[in-house]
Amino acid sequence: QSALTQPASVSGSPGQSITISCTGTIRDVGGYKYVSWYQQHPGKAPKLIIYEINNRPSGVSDRFSGSKSGNTASLTISGLQAEDEADYYCISFTFINTGVFGGGTKLTVL
Amino acid sequence: EVQLVESGGGLVQPGGSLRLSCAASGFTFSSHWIHWVRQGPGKGLVWVSRINEHGTDKMYADSVKGRFTISRDNAKNTVFLQMNSLRAEDTAVYYCVRDEALWRLDYWGQGTLVTVSS
Repeated sequence: QSALTQPASVSGSPGQSITISCTGTIRDVGGYKYVSWYQQHPGKAPKLIIYEINNRPSGVSDRFSGSKSGNTASLTISGLQAEDEADYYCISFTFINTGVFGGGTKLTVL
Repeated sequence: EVQLVESGGGLVQPGGSLRLSCAASGFTFSSHWIHWVRQGPGKGLVWVSRINEHGTDKMYADSVKGRFTISRDNAKNTVFLQMNSLRAEDTAVYYCVRDEALWRLDYWGQGTLVTVSS
C-alpha cells in the first residue's frame, strides 16, 4: 500500500489560513469516510486533530477543519498561530482493512 | 486518565527478535482496538498493525506481514507486538495507539525505540 501524498512543506504568516492536501485513491481516501489528521510537535507523540474527514475531538481548536473531495482530503488551519508550527499527517482506512499514512507535511509559521 | 506505556524496545541485531508491550490504563481496555504505528528517525508515521477488542481480528502492513505478530491479554490490559526477522529498516520509535472508534486514533503512548543494527 503506497503512502498517501502530502506536500512536504507549507508555510504561512500569523493570522493567515493554510490548507494541507492528502491525496490517495478510490481504494482509500476516496472510498471511505475514515480519514483523520494528526499534529506532531518535535519530540512529541502525535495528537488527533480531525477524525472522519471533518470532525474535531473535544478540546481541539475550531481553527482546524477538514474536508474531502474525490480522492483528496484536506486540512485547513485558519488564523495561524506560532504554536501551529508542527508536522501534520493524514491517515486513511483502506479497502484491504489496513491503514495508510501520508508522508507528512511540515508547517512553518513565518 | 488514559495512559498507554510502551516497553521492550532496544538494540537488536539484524535477523533478531524483540517483543514490545503496551500497558494500558484509565479506560475499558477490552472495548477498544489497539494499533501500532512506527516512525523511523527523521521520517514520517507508518501504520504497522492493529488488533480488535477481542484479539480475534488482526491486520498488518505488507512491510511486516509474516514477521510481526500482534496479540493482547485483556486480563492484563496489555497489547504485544512480537517482531521477528528484524531488518535495519525496522529501526523506529514504535507507538501504541488506542482506537476510540473506527480509525479514530485518540490516545498515543510516548513510544519505545527499536534499533536494528550490527
